[in-house]
Amino acid sequence: AQSVTQLGSHVSVSEGALVLLRCNYSSSVPPYLFWYVQYPNQGLQLLLKYTSAATLVKGINGFEAEFKKSETSFHLTKPSAHMSDAAEYFCAVTGGDYKLSFGAGTTVTVRA
Amino acid sequence: GAGVSQSPSNKVTEKGKDVELRCDPISGHTALYWYRQSLGQGLEFLIYFQGNSAPDKSGLPSDRFSAERTGGSVSTLTIQRTQQEDSAVYLCASSFRGGEQETQYFGPGTRLLVL
Repeated sequence: AQSVTQLGSHVSVSEGALVLLRCNYSSSVPPYLFWYVQYPNQGLQLLLKYTSAATLVKGINGFEAEFKKSETSFHLTKPSAHMSDAAEYFCAVTGGDYKLSFGAGTTVTVRA
Repeated sequence: GAGVSQSPSNKVTEKGKDVELRCDPISGHTALYWYRQSLGQGLEFLIYFQGNSAPDKSGLPSDRFSAERTGGSVSTLTIQRTQQEDSAVYLCASSFRGGEQETQYFGPGTRLLVL
């Protein structure tokens, strides 16, 4: 079975500051990892995914994430926050089957 | 191109009534998923359809929940005798073939409120 844990249910950053969202995974098989973003009253949109091709993954809107097997982590970062980054972010994992197992989510607020 | 669409966007019903939620996947996608997003349980997998294979119903929380996919395209999730704990956002997703590496594309969801 696979699972992810997102550390911190809420993160507040200043506009222009670094965004760091933490995700640790547990999987008995090689994992595939995803970060999704959800804006209010909308569905989930894929930011990026790790499928073993490269450990540093670049996604949309300036986000990137690094897969670290030794730390079982897949943290999401963005160098400079923008007001439009305010949303809820979900880390998810598949491994061995197609079902996405999601973390509890991290809500990001951006201060002007 | 068109994304995943769901209807209705909002549904308010009384306890004990049946509801049907509809999902139109992206054209050409053979895999379709239903998830539920609730305050208490987060995002949970419900059911998976792939082509003509038997669906994976392992995530359905009770026998009041059922789903079908007609013609390999549109899917309907039915909840019978709704309970207040069924109140949640029901999200549908589709992907090209259903592989574990594939991106699942999500619809906007149906917000269900059971009074």
